[in-house]
Amino acid sequence: GENVEQHPSTLSVQEGDSAVIKCTYSDSASNYFPWYKQELGKGPQLIIDIRSNVGEKKDQRIAVTLNKTAKHFSLHITETQPEDSAVYFCAASKGSQGNLIFGKGTKLSVKP
Amino acid sequence: DAMVIQNPRYQVTQFGKPVTLSCSQTLNHNVMYWYQQKSSQAPKLLFHYYDKDFNNEADTPDNFQSRRPNTSFCFLDIRSPGLGDAAMYLCATSRDVGDFTEAFFGQGTRLTVV
Repeated sequence: GENVEQHPSTLSVQEGDSAVIKCTYSDSASNYFPWYKQELGKGPQLIIDIRSNVGEKKDQRIAVTLNKTAKHFSLHITETQPEDSAVYFCAASKGSQGNLIFGKGTKLSVKP
Repeated sequence: DAMVIQNPRYQVTQFGKPVTLSCSQTLNHNVMYWYQQKSSQAPKLLFHYYDKDFNNEADTPDNFQSRRPNTSFCFLDIRSPGLGDAAMYLCATSRDVGDFTEAFFGQGTRLTVV
């Protein structure tokens, strides 16, 4: 089955710096890759997603890149702010065939 | 406005005492999911309902059951909670099976077993 690896497990950056979180997946049939932000005591919230027919997607300070050949995708957050501090999960899905498989999460801390 | 609502937010239950967690949705989505998330781990799918069709994950213990009396509500029943069942339980919905492009998660219920 699908396996999603996520790195790093923790990331600490200074406010204003960029943060990059990387994920790899194993199943080449996966075609949808969302990123979730989970704040303490809350459920995951979708922040950005990308489909396999697209290489890059950007939404204000957040961008996601996908390399299908290498089977990896990355989340980029620019100009980080303290409110970006949370746990971020990547995930992969094969669409109608399957489940949403999560990475193990990255705890991002943005220091003022 | 919250679209996937879980109650209660925090639940304390005794070892072995049955407990039920509740989820409701206002999205009219066909699919409702239950995930278990232990501390510092990724959410793990327990089962899902597509309309009234129940789909259990192969490794979900028999101790976990679910009911979906109508489109809006779905319940997670833990028949005999053990200490290892302490976790955050997340409910999620999507329009169709495997279509997570419009999936929404609830705030979760944190279960403590004493």
